[in-house]
Amino acid sequence: AQRVTQPEKLLSVFKGAPVELKCNYSYSGSPELFWYVQYSRQRLQLLLRHISRESIKGFTADLNKGETSFHLKKPFAQEEDSAMYYCALSDRGSTLGRLYFGRGTQLTVWP
Amino acid sequence: DVKVTQSSRYLVKRTGEKVFLECVQDMDHENMFWYRQDPGLGLRLIYFSYDVKMKEKGDIPEGYSVSREKKERFSLILESASTNQTSMYLCASSARTIQRRDEQFFGPGTRLTVL
Repeated sequence: AQRVTQPEKLLSVFKGAPVELKCNYSYSGSPELFWYVQYSRQRLQLLLRHISRESIKGFTADLNKGETSFHLKKPFAQEEDSAMYYCALSDRGSTLGRLYFGRGTQLTVWP
Repeated sequence: DVKVTQSSRYLVKRTGEKVFLECVQDMDHENMFWYRQDPGLGLRLIYFSYDVKMKEKGDIPEGYSVSREKKERFSLILESASTNQTSMYLCASSARTIQRRDEQFFGPGTRLTVL
């Protein structure tokens, strides 16, 4: 079975502070993990994927297979980072392209 | 610019009515998905389709059905709407190729209220 856990429903930080959104997963195979983001009044969209190992809008995420985690980090949060963030896992063992989403973390960055 | 469109942004229906939610994508994607989004519950997959006339149940298919007669269109049907189906419904699509299938493109959502 696949499962993605985001332990924090809400997260608040002040502008300029570091932020870390937690994601843990359980998966029997080799996972592909992603972060999706939904800004207010906008569509849900892909933020980053672990295989790219890139930084998007200052965010990075490292896959830690030992801890089965894929936490999203940014060293200096900005107000425009306020959004709902979803961690997602791809079932590579399936040909159907399904994603399993966590319950999401609402990030608020205060001025 | 890639596009997933949904037929309505807001919809109000009465208990027992049959409700159709339509989704159209113009990216020639093979895969299409219907989710509902509820506070505290995140995104839950209702149904998905990986080809015309093909469908697979997601995690919460009860009370819903789907139709995919054309590649670009995926419809979600509530046979007899109930108040617990009040929610935001999101449609998404993705390509089938291994390299591209994990990026799902989402529509703007339909907020359905069942009275």
